[in-house]
Formats: sequence, structure tokens, C-alpha cells
Amino acid sequence: QGQLQESGPGLVKPSETLTLTCTLSFGSVNTAAYYWSWVRQPPGKGLEWIGHVYNSGSPNYNYNPSLKSRVSISVDTSKNEFSLRVTSVTTADTAVYYCARVRLRLGNLAGFDSWGQGTLVTVSS
Amino acid sequence: NFMLTQPHSVSGSPGKTVTISCTRSRGSIDTTFVQWYQQRPGSVPITVIYEDDQRPSGVPDRFSGSIDSSSNSASLTISGLMTEDEADYYCQSYDSSNLVVFGGGTKLTVL
Repeated sequence: QGQLQESGPGLVKPSETLTLTCTLSFGSVNTAAYYWSWVRQPPGKGLEWIGHVYNSGSPNYNYNPSLKSRVSISVDTSKNEFSLRVTSVTTADTAVYYCARVRLRLGNLAGFDSWGQGTLVTVSS
Repeated sequence: NFMLTQPHSVSGSPGKTVTISCTRSRGSIDTTFVQWYQQRPGSVPITVIYEDDQRPSGVPDRFSGSIDSSSNSASLTISGLMTEDEADYYCQSYDSSNLVVFGGGTKLTVL
């Protein structure tokens, strides 16, 4: 069993809002050691970074500029989870969505070192 | 922002060596760490190289990473090719604002 687990709907209608949650089975989302990230992969295509949050004290968010107008990430420390919200979805948002952990090394981002299993979200009416 | 460009596909015979390149379009390749991920069909990506040239425990030493400032590129080299190496490989780095950039991916075929 991995550390990260995505949950959310497998099917969303066009123009609606998609919300996914990533729950940590151990460790804390409130840490200076990691960034918490979302990555997606459309069927048959490559990896696309969506955004991440650094939650040490007050959260700090970064988003892919191409998605920034429609996505947001939030953190719930009490539930030890972080979430992704994508508004106004279209069929182009159909993808496997992964939550992942990004390691820090000497204050610099150092790579994804843990991934959830991924969850397929299909946008269709 | 910048792009990371990888060849769409590479191939090699069992026992041979292949190299996958990852060229950064703007900014120096050695400014931020480069990682390489292997993804087999239907599976989660796994790290084969992190911080330019470091190999996680459990990854065979047949996998190696390097940075070449003169070509502004990173490379993943796999020696002693095995059929199990057949997968998609992605390079990944960051820009100065901590935004993540993935390469487009390279399909490795072991003939």
C-alpha cells in the first residue's frame, strides 16, 4: 500500500467542476520537507504537471501557466490531505490524474519520489 | 518558461546501449535538477535517475544520468539493454519559479 491515494469521481460532465482528493496514509501534509503535486496523463499521451503546494506554515501554490485559470489546489491539514479542483472541464481534461510528492534537497526541488496509483477521470456527457 | 525536448522514440537490441537526450530550450540545464522517470504501460512512473545523476536504490546500475552544459541537455543512458527496459521515459526539471516541466517522453523499444 502506497503513501498517497487519489479519490474522486471517475466521470464528470463537460462544463462541470472536477474535484479530486489525495490522502496521505502516513507522514504529514504539513511539512517543510516536501511539495505536494498533481500530475495528469491523457490517454496515450505524456505527463503534464498541473500544480503543487508547499505547506510549511502558510501554503504556497504554483500552477502550470496553461491551466492556471481553471485549477486550484487546497490543503486540509486536519484530514492530512490535499485536493485539486478543475473548473469548466472539457473532453481534453480526460486523463489519469496522479497526486505525487516532490522532495526538497537543500531548499531545491529534487524530483517526485512518491506517486499515488492514479485515478482515471473521463469527461463525457 | 522553457521546454524539455526528447526524441519521440529510440530502440536498441538486448545487451546494447541506448542514450535518450533531453534538451532544455532556455536557461542552463545545470540550473535546476533533472530527473528521469520510467513508465511501463498501465503503471505509475518510477524514478530511475534523480538530481541529474543519482540512482535510487533498487534501480540497476545499468541506468546512468548526465548533464552536458555545452549542448544544454541531459542524457539517460541504459547499458546492457533488457526487454524489461522497454517503456516510456520522461525527463523532468524545474524553472526558477519552481514550476515543473516534463519532457514529452521517449518510447524505448528493445528489439
